[in-house]
Amino acid sequence: DAGVTQSPTHLIKTRGQQVTLRCSPKSGHDTVSWYQQALGQGPQFIFQYYEEEERQRGNFPDRFSGHQFPNYSSELNVNALLLGDSALYLCATQFGANVLTFGAGSRLTVL
Amino acid sequence: AQSVTQPDIHITVSEGASLELRCNYSYGATPYLFWYVQSPGQGLQLLLKYFSGDTLVQGIKGFEAEFKRSQSSFNLRKPSVHWSDAAEYFCAVDAGGTSYGKLTFGQGTILTVHP
Repeated sequence: DAGVTQSPTHLIKTRGQQVTLRCSPKSGHDTVSWYQQALGQGPQFIFQYYEEEERQRGNFPDRFSGHQFPNYSSELNVNALLLGDSALYLCATQFGANVLTFGAGSRLTVL
Repeated sequence: AQSVTQPDIHITVSEGASLELRCNYSYGATPYLFWYVQSPGQGLQLLLKYFSGDTLVQGIKGFEAEFKRSQSSFNLRKPSVHWSDAAEYFCAVDAGGTSYGKLTFGQGTILTVHP
């Protein structure tokens, strides 16, 4: 049983560009959350998707948007990239009120 | 809003020594509490969790944590550290209810293990 799968694992963008990160949940999981982990920091909650709708959102600007598909997979989109968006982006999935399962992350570098 | 403080940024211990990583949280009620471990280039692995009941919880890899309501603490312990325990450790809280899955993490504690 595959766990949480994220792609790409690494990517480099330049300021002002847009990026899309993808997440496939663990089998049976229907809720997807995204976290941003800057270097030397703990992860910060971006938003959570359930039934294809954003259910909760953290303190991130509207440049950060997401989507959940009918198969429960999800995308994180970031527009107008800033240097400060460089981070490890973690996807976490769950079923109901069970604990989160994290993916290995997508490492984004903005030059 | 809840917050989590991990006072120790970096801890170094010798292999076989005991370990305690500190975690203090700020929240109006009793939150759900977690400890995660992250190896370089990896995602987060759950070590243990506290939801309610017995305040001493056992986790994987020989770790345990004790919830102390009076001190708003949830410290992680291990009686004998192995070299493979070297990693970064994160304490996290979840308010639960409609916020379930929205974790607030501490800044992490990096554990170095000397042979």
